[in-house]
Amino acid sequence: DIVMTQSPVSLPVTPGEPASISCRCSQSLLHSNGYNYLDWYLQKPGQSPQLLIYLGSNRASGVPDRFSGSGSGTDFTLTISRVEAEDVGIYYCMQALQTPTTFGPGTTVDIK
Amino acid sequence: QVQLQESGPGLVKPSETLSLTCSVSGDSITKHFWSWIRQPPGKGLEWIGHIYHTGRSNFNPSLRSRVTISVDTSRDQFSLKLRSVTAADTAVYYCARVAVDEDIVLEPADMGPNRYYYYGMDVWGQGTTVTVSS
Repeated sequence: DIVMTQSPVSLPVTPGEPASISCRCSQSLLHSNGYNYLDWYLQKPGQSPQLLIYLGSNRASGVPDRFSGSGSGTDFTLTISRVEAEDVGIYYCMQALQTPTTFGPGTTVDIK
Repeated sequence: QVQLQESGPGLVKPSETLSLTCSVSGDSITKHFWSWIRQPPGKGLEWIGHIYHTGRSNFNPSLRSRVTISVDTSRDQFSLKLRSVTAADTAVYYCARVAVDEDIVLEPADMGPNRYYYYGMDVWGQGTTVTVSS
């Protein structure tokens, strides 16, 4: 199985400030077709996960443009350009390159 | 608007079979792939498996011997059965749509979502809590 790790585990943020989360994978997620099969999901308190980013850097429909994804291979980053209070929750990276699909352990973002 | 709704018993006895159904509205189940994911209390997310409308499915090897996922295209539903449950199977169970564009074939040899252009798990159900206890 592809093992996903995330850092930091917890991220206190100040509204209006930027924030970033790192995701590393035990093997490259770059497919021969040129796409990185890495998604980012946000699970807000008491809610289901919601898709933010797919294929490493593509924002899902309706996701604010303050969210961006970058990286390739084994190292990826989710960046929030200016954090808003509604962005609190647990952020998960997920690889979709191979079955079983695997998730990172999560990064908890809360307001300072 | 696409919506997914999980349904099924909230309490299952040890050694019995957990059975859940996901009802899809606003979209046809004959498009995309459809997944089950679970989240034990206070823990992270675990992928259980996915299915295509043809019945083609794939599972997490850690659960493969106990899992069945089926699809009913006439009802736009797909279902999960997990046999021989224990307390470790207590979790919130989510169904989700794995969105793909079937008009864009990237990997003809791949029988999973990566055969097509992939858009992520873009719609999730609200989740249903299943407790395994006698």
